[in-house]
Amino acid sequence: ELKVEQNPLFLSMQEGKNYTIYCNYSTTSDRLYWYRQDPGKSLESLFVLLSNGAVKQEGRLMASLDTKARLSTLHITAAVHDLSATYFCAVDRGNTPLVFGKGTRLSVIA
Amino acid sequence: DTGVSQDPRHKITKRGQNVTFRCDPISEHNRLYWYRQTLGQGPEFLTYFQNEAQLEKSRLLSDRFSAERPKGSFSTLEIQRTEQGDSAMYLCASRGTGLKYYEQYFGPGTRLTVT
Repeated sequence: ELKVEQNPLFLSMQEGKNYTIYCNYSTTSDRLYWYRQDPGKSLESLFVLLSNGAVKQEGRLMASLDTKARLSTLHITAAVHDLSATYFCAVDRGNTPLVFGKGTRLSVIA
Repeated sequence: DTGVSQDPRHKITKRGQNVTFRCDPISEHNRLYWYRQTLGQGPEFLTYFQNEAQLEKSRLLSDRFSAERPKGSFSTLEIQRTEQGDSAMYLCASRGTGLKYYEQYFGPGTRLTVT
């Protein structure tokens, strides 16, 4: 059974600081996704990582994938308040449904 | 707007009533997924269609839940005899065919509150 674990589940960061969210998954997967969710809203796609060593960056967020370790990281650089949200990682194989982690609730404080 | 749409966006119902939600996928996408998300949790898979065929159902989908996708276009999710534990956000996603169409696109969700 495919399982996804994220840590930490809650993260309070000061503005301007850097931090990393970790995502581990239990078995081989084809793709690793990162989503952002604001309260009461749906999921916004951030990154899709397809292969070992893949790295993608958008603004202050950078995601990477190590398929051998079954680990993805989402690195936040110089956090700003607008990044406060819940971040989910998810994996799938072929056309199977996505399996999500529990999410990391990020709060950026001044 | 060519994205995934869901209707209604919010539904409040009394325990024991039946409710039905609708999802309209991106028009060229043949795969459609339903997920449920409860407060503080990640989305959990409910069921999946390829065209009009329902290919997979989660153990979460009790016999009070039924989903259809007539003619492989829009889909409906019905919950009969709702319970308070059914209160959640119901998310629909669609995906196209072919190797490059791997990403699932999510709709805005339907938030169900059972009182």
